[in-house]
Amino acid sequence: EVVLTQSPGTLSLSPGERATLSCRASQSVTSNYVAWYQQKPGQAPRLLMYGASSRATGIPDRFSGSGSGTDFTLTISRLEPEDIAVYYCQQYGSSPPWTFGQGTKVEIK
Amino acid sequence: EVQLVQSGGGLVQPGGSLRLSCAASGFSFSNYWMHWVRQVPGKGLVWVARIDTDGDITTYADSVKGRFTISRDNAKNTLYLQMTSLRAEDTAVYYCARSRSSFDPWGQGSLVTVSS
Repeated sequence: EVVLTQSPGTLSLSPGERATLSCRASQSVTSNYVAWYQQKPGQAPRLLMYGASSRATGIPDRFSGSGSGTDFTLTISRLEPEDIAVYYCQQYGSSPPWTFGQGTKVEIK
Repeated sequence: EVQLVQSGGGLVQPGGSLRLSCAASGFSFSNYWMHWVRQVPGKGLVWVARIDTDGDITTYADSVKGRFTISRDNAKNTLYLQMTSLRAEDTAVYYCARSRSSFDPWGQGSLVTVSS
């Protein structure tokens, strides 16, 4: 099973700042099959990125993804108040099981 | 609009059973694998089960194997999760999700509470 470890646990930033979220896998992820999801309080998760660096439909271009092998990053170039949420990475290259990271909470300072 | 609408959550006693449903619309349901994912309130996401397009191949997390059954009715565009021998640790919000690779979209979630 591929274990995903996200850091930091919580990120406190001011609007307009750059947010960098990390996701490290316990082994290399096949074909960089990593997705990122955003979950706002009381809502279902929403797909942001797939294939490590492809934005899902309707996702603003301030969101970007990068990485390969075992290290992946989600970047929010300019934090907006509506970006307050918990962000999860997921690997779907070595499944089953499909595994998620434990999440990074992004809050406004 | 691509949509997954869930129903069937609630309170159940330990050892009891419950069935969740997930009604799909806006896409060709029979062309997609489907999954169930659960989330203990305040905690992270945990994959539970997967079913292929025809319903022939199912896969489960070890924690639910032998107790939960994922199934689908392509004629009704509906996914199911039959849960039996429920335990307190099964208490969670359960989400259905469509996938070809990543999971998109997700249902709105169904809260299952296992308590006496």
